[in-house]
Order: sequence, then C-alpha cells, then structure tokens
Amino acid sequence: DIQMTQSPASLSASLEEIVTITCQASQDIGNWLAWYQQKPGKSPQLLIYGATSLADGVPSRFSGSRSGTQYSLKISRLQVEDIGIYYCQQASSAPWTFGGGTKLELK
Amino acid sequence: EVQLVESGGGLVQPGRSLKLSCAASGFTFSNYYMAWVRQAPKKGLEWVATISTSGSRTYYPDSVKGRFTISRDNAKSSLYLQMNSLKSEDTATYYCARQRLWVSFDYWGQGVMVTVSS
Repeated sequence: DIQMTQSPASLSASLEEIVTITCQASQDIGNWLAWYQQKPGKSPQLLIYGATSLADGVPSRFSGSRSGTQYSLKISRLQVEDIGIYYCQQASSAPWTFGGGTKLELK
Repeated sequence: EVQLVESGGGLVQPGRSLKLSCAASGFTFSNYYMAWVRQAPKKGLEWVATISTSGSRTYYPDSVKGRFTISRDNAKSSLYLQMNSLKSEDTATYYCARQRLWVSFDYWGQGVMVTVSS
C-alpha cells in the first residue's frame, strides 16, 4: 500500500500569512494527488486534483505543487474561512490512501 | 447541483449487520464510479469501498474485505453499503462520494454515523 505522510500535524498561523502543508508519498504516484479541506462539523471538500489543478469554486489563493514524491499545498494569504483540517490523498492506485491530516488554526 | 444524501446509520451490536444507502442527484449517476469513505471519531479519512459505473467491478481495502459489500442501482441513482460482522473499530461517520478514478473524490455527502457497541 502507498503511505502518505503529511506534515505538520498541526499549524497555527496569522491572517494574511502564507501557509504551506506538505505530503510525502512512499512511492511514485505521478501527479495523482488530491487535497481536501474539512471545516469543523462538515464533510471534506475537494480543493486540488492532479497535484496542481484547482477544483471548481476554489479561491485562487490555494495552489498545489510537486517535487518528485513530495507534494505541497500553499495558501497564499490565510483567511478566517480557511480554518479546518487538510488532507492529501493518493489517487494512483487502490487502496486509495489519505494523509493523516493537518489541523490549521488561527494564531 | 450535485447532491449525495446518506441514510441508514445508527447503533448496532458487534457482529450484527447494517446497510447504508446514498441517494444521488444532480448528475448522471451511471457515468461515475462511486465510493464510501469513513472517518472514525476525531480521526482521519479512510477509503472503504469503490464500485465501477456498471457495478461489475468492486474494490475494498483489507480492513473490510469479506465483510462489506458495495452495490448500486443505476435506475434509482442509489449507492449502497452492506456491512456485516461489524466490529467496534467500524464505528465512524460514513461518507458517500463520487469518485473520478485516478483523480479524486470530487463530491461528498453529509455523512451518516454508524456506532458499533453492545
């Protein structure tokens, strides 16, 4: 199974700050990587697919990148509505696996 | 607007069975793979099952293989998850999700809670 190691597990940041979350795949998954946001008490929502493509309706302050088997989610200017838990997921092969999550809080 | 509405959750004793349902609308259900993803209380996300467009192919992780069965009724735009031999570790919120294979789970339902306890 492909393991997805996400870091940090938690993160405290200020409004308008740049935030970066990373996800390391245990083997090559190409660009088959998605990011999700889960707000408190809500279902996960797709943010990014194909490592770098923004899902419909997602603000442009979110972006994704890849360097080998390391993937990053960047929020260019943190807003209040961005608070929640972020998950990466490899879509390369079954069993499809998620990272452990990054809890993003306001400082 | 894509909508996925789960139902059928509740409290069930260990070793018993439960069947979840998901009613889909707002898209051509028969054109998409569908999946179930669960989240134990205060924990992360775990993929549980996937079914192909026609229902001919199904996929499961080892944690539920042989106990859970995913199925669909394209005429009713409905997805199902039959859960047998339930264990306490199956306690979770279960989400129905539309799956674009090799891409993502692009739409999720609101989730339904399943509690396995005596």
